[in-house]
Amino acid sequence: DTAVSQTPKYLVTQMGNDKSIKCEQNLGHDTMYWYKQDSKKFLKIMFSYNNKELIINETVPNRFSPKSPDKAHLNLHINSLELGDSAVYFCASSRDGYSYEQYFGPGTRLTVT
Amino acid sequence: GDSVTQMEGPVTLSEEAFLTINCTYTATGYPSLFWYVQYPGEGLQLLLKATKADDKGSNKGFEATYRKETTSFHLEKGSVQVSDSAVYFCALRAGGTSYGKLTFGQGTILTVHP
Repeated sequence: DTAVSQTPKYLVTQMGNDKSIKCEQNLGHDTMYWYKQDSKKFLKIMFSYNNKELIINETVPNRFSPKSPDKAHLNLHINSLELGDSAVYFCASSRDGYSYEQYFGPGTRLTVT
Repeated sequence: GDSVTQMEGPVTLSEEAFLTINCTYTATGYPSLFWYVQYPGEGLQLLLKATKADDKGSNKGFEATYRKETTSFHLEKGSVQVSDSAVYFCALRAGGTSYGKLTFGQGTILTVHP
C-alpha cells in the first residue's frame, strides 16, 4: 500500500485557472506538509498542518490555500495560476512535528502555460 | 535564518568510485541533520540522520558525521553503484520551536556510470 499518495501526478493548465492537488497518508501520522520543488530541484516548505491545524505558513501567496478535512488528508488549492507556479509539489507526513523522518509522496508536476 | 549549502553538482562517477558530497549549514541552537535521497520520478526518502554533535549517521553504505566545529555534514560512500544515481539533499531541522520544519540544501545530482 502506498504510504503517501498524491493526485494527480501531472497537471497541465492555463494561466488564471484554479486547480487542486490532493494528498492522503495511511500511516496514521498527525503532521502533514506541502513542499514546492522548482526547476533547479530546490525544495522549500510551504505549509505544515498538525491534526488539521495550520502550524507553518512560509510566506506563500494567499492564492495558495491548504485544506485539511481530517488528519489523513491535506489538499492544496491554487487560485489564479501563474507561470511561476510551475513546479513539482510534494506532500509529506510525519508522526508528529518532532519526528525525525518525513515520508514524501511521489509529487505532482504542475505546468502552467 | 537557517540555511544549508551543498556542493554544486552534477557529480558524475564511475562505478566503485569514492563519493563525497559536501554539506555545510547555518543554524541557531543545535539542529538535527539529515540526508534525503530522491530517485528519478519519486519522492524523497530519508537516507540517514544525526541528531547531535559527533553523531555518525549511516545507511546502505553511506555515512555522514555531524561536525559542530565546522558546521558540516558531508555525505560519503566508499564504492558507489549505478543504482545510487539520484539527487541527494542535505537538510536540517533547527532545535527549539521549529516544529516540523526542514530546511533543505539545493540538492546534488549524482550520476554513476558502469
